[in-house]
Amino acid sequence: SQELEQSPQSLIVQEGKNLTINCTSSKTLYGLYWYKQKYGEGLIFLMMLQKGGEEKSHEKITAKLDEKKQQSSLHITASQPSHAGIYLCGADPIDGQNFVFGPGTRLSVLP
Amino acid sequence: KAGVTQTPRYLIKTRGQQVTLSCSPISGHRSVSWYQQTPGQGLQFLFEYFSETQRNKGNFPGRFSGRQFSNSRSEMNVSTLELGDSALYLCASSFTSGGAGEQFFGPGTRLTVL
Repeated sequence: SQELEQSPQSLIVQEGKNLTINCTSSKTLYGLYWYKQKYGEGLIFLMMLQKGGEEKSHEKITAKLDEKKQQSSLHITASQPSHAGIYLCGADPIDGQNFVFGPGTRLSVLP
Repeated sequence: KAGVTQTPRYLIKTRGQQVTLSCSPISGHRSVSWYQQTPGQGLQFLFEYFSETQRNKGNFPGRFSGRQFSNSRSEMNVSTLELGDSALYLCASSFTSGGAGEQFFGPGTRLTVL
C-alpha cells in the first residue's frame, strides 16, 4: 500500500526565516495535496499538484512536485506566526487504495 | 457557500456506550469521507459515502459504521466504545468520489471516551 513520509516531524523557526517541508511517497503520486491544520481543528486545503515538475504558489507558500512524482516539497518564505500549525500532505488513492495522509509536520514560528 | 459542518464539536462518553456524529457537506457535494485522527496513528481513512452508497472503507472494526442521506448529510456511528476510540473525527466533502480531487474538511468532533 502507498505510504507517505514527511520530514521534519517538527520545526521551530524564527519569524522571517524560510523553511521547507518534504513529503515522500512509496509509490508514484497521481495527485498530491497539501493541507494545513490548526491544532484540534479541521484541515485547510493549500494546494494540489498533479504533473511532474509542477510548481504552485499562493502568497508566501510554494509547493513543488518532482519530475518522478514521488516527492513534494512545501516552502514558506519569510515565515510569520500565522503560518504555525501542522502541515499534512495527502495523496490520491491508487490501485484501489484509499486516500492517504502523511504523519504531518508541526511548525512553530517564534515572533 | 457554507462550509462543512460537524456536530457535536465535543463529546464525552464512557466505555461501552455508543455515539453518533453528524456531518453536513458543502451544498452540491455528494461525497462525504470520514477520518479518525489520533496522536499515535495520525489521520486515518474510515469510509466514504457517495450518493448514499458506501464507496470505500478503511481498516476499522465493524463497530464503526456510517450512512448517508438523500440530502448528502452523513452520520457516523461507533458502538461499544473503547478508550482507544478517543480521537478527533473529521469529515470531508468533495464533488467527486474516490478521494481524488480537493476535499473540504469540517472542524471535527473531538470524542473523549472515559
